[in-house]
Amino acid sequence: GENVEQHPSTLSVQEGDSAVIKCTYSDSASNYFPWYKQELGKRPQLIIDIRSNVGEKKDQRIAVTLNKTAKHFSLHITETQPEDSAVYFCAFSGNTPLVFGKGTRLSVIA
Amino acid sequence: EAQVTQNPRYLITVTGKKLTVTCSQNMNHEYMSWYRQDPGLGLRQIYYSMNVEVTDKGDVPEGYKVSRKEKRNFPLILESPSPNQTSLYFCASSFQGRNEQFFGPGTRLTVL
Repeated sequence: GENVEQHPSTLSVQEGDSAVIKCTYSDSASNYFPWYKQELGKRPQLIIDIRSNVGEKKDQRIAVTLNKTAKHFSLHITETQPEDSAVYFCAFSGNTPLVFGKGTRLSVIA
Repeated sequence: EAQVTQNPRYLITVTGKKLTVTCSQNMNHEYMSWYRQDPGLGLRQIYYSMNVEVTDKGDVPEGYKVSRKEKRNFPLILESPSPNQTSLYFCASSFQGRNEQFFGPGTRLTVL
């Protein structure tokens, strides 16, 4: 089936630094690329998404970039804060329902 | 309030004792899905349903059953639970399956 590779699996950054998580997907027909954040003990929740007709989308400190030619998309968090510490999942869909990556555990060190 | 609910939230049971985890959504979503979450393995899809009476296997369907008799409900059935089904289970729903998925609060299942 379709799959997505997510890297890195863990990431530690100093508060105020930037964090970048990258995903590579397999289905060239994919057209929807969301990112979910899961805080400890809670459910995953959508934080940002992008569709294939745009290359970048920003929402305050978070941004997602999409490179359809290379079939990868990335989450960028700037000026990280302790409350950004969580597990982040990328996902994609096209002809199939959403397929999730394995997640990245981000730790922001104060 | 738009939401996905699951019950029970926590369950400890023994091997072989049939159980059902309920999932209900009030957003009139066509698509519903079940995932299990295990450390280091992310969210793995068990079964999904594109609409009433339509269900399909996900990546890890063995040992599970589902049904979709009504649009709002999508129960997960473990006919004969085994210890390797100890996990955190999430139900999710969305409009047509290719849009934002809304997750339930999760059910933590322990099979002894």
